[in-house]
Amino acid sequence: GENVGLHLPTLSVQEGDNSIINCAYSNSASDYFIWYKQESGKGPQFIIDIRSNMDKRQGQRVTVLLNKTVKHLSLQIAATQPGDSAVYFCAELAAGGTSYGKLTFGQGTILTVHP
Amino acid sequence: KAGVTQTPRYLIKTRGQQVTLSCSPISGHRSVSWYQQTPGQGLQFLFEYFSETQRNKGNFPGRFSGRQFSNSRSEMNVSTLELGDSALYLCASSLGLQEKLFFGSGTQLSVL
Repeated sequence: GENVGLHLPTLSVQEGDNSIINCAYSNSASDYFIWYKQESGKGPQFIIDIRSNMDKRQGQRVTVLLNKTVKHLSLQIAATQPGDSAVYFCAELAAGGTSYGKLTFGQGTILTVHP
Repeated sequence: KAGVTQTPRYLIKTRGQQVTLSCSPISGHRSVSWYQQTPGQGLQFLFEYFSETQRNKGNFPGRFSGRQFSNSRSEMNVSTLELGDSALYLCASSLGLQEKLFFGSGTQLSVL
């Protein structure tokens, strides 16, 4: 059926807590994954990426975990700050098949950080 | 280094009109992709250009078209606008194909 509106998952945390945002991807041919952050009125902003030959990658306050067996991706944000409040998207890039070359985005998760 | 620049920022059109959106990629980036973002469908891939050639296309009708110039700047055009075309149109650039995208702030199109 046709989507009448996406109901995004939400996550509310207190400032200073760690946040974990999850994403299930569908294409087993995907070999490159990216997390983006989108604040109101702005385009998605690159956070961190990971290729399928890795299962963990760390950046500044962020860690991405990849579990190819269950096709699951997670973004961990340490010591979450109010400025981290945004919509977070995971995106996958397929190495082949009909989705080859197209970066496909998940529906997004709304993160709200309370001071 | 300047980011991806999209113009105009906001646009209001009426049904049946056509519209052209512009995108200037990050300097040195040769690939430009376009996405449509709506509350109902999320982020959907429109097309990708590299070296002035369309390399990939999403599932949108032929009313949606684009092109890329020799300086990597890109335009997308939507003809015979429909109410459902109201959306945020995002342009993203990357160094090459299959690489991480850097997005502009988008053009918010409203079709009345």
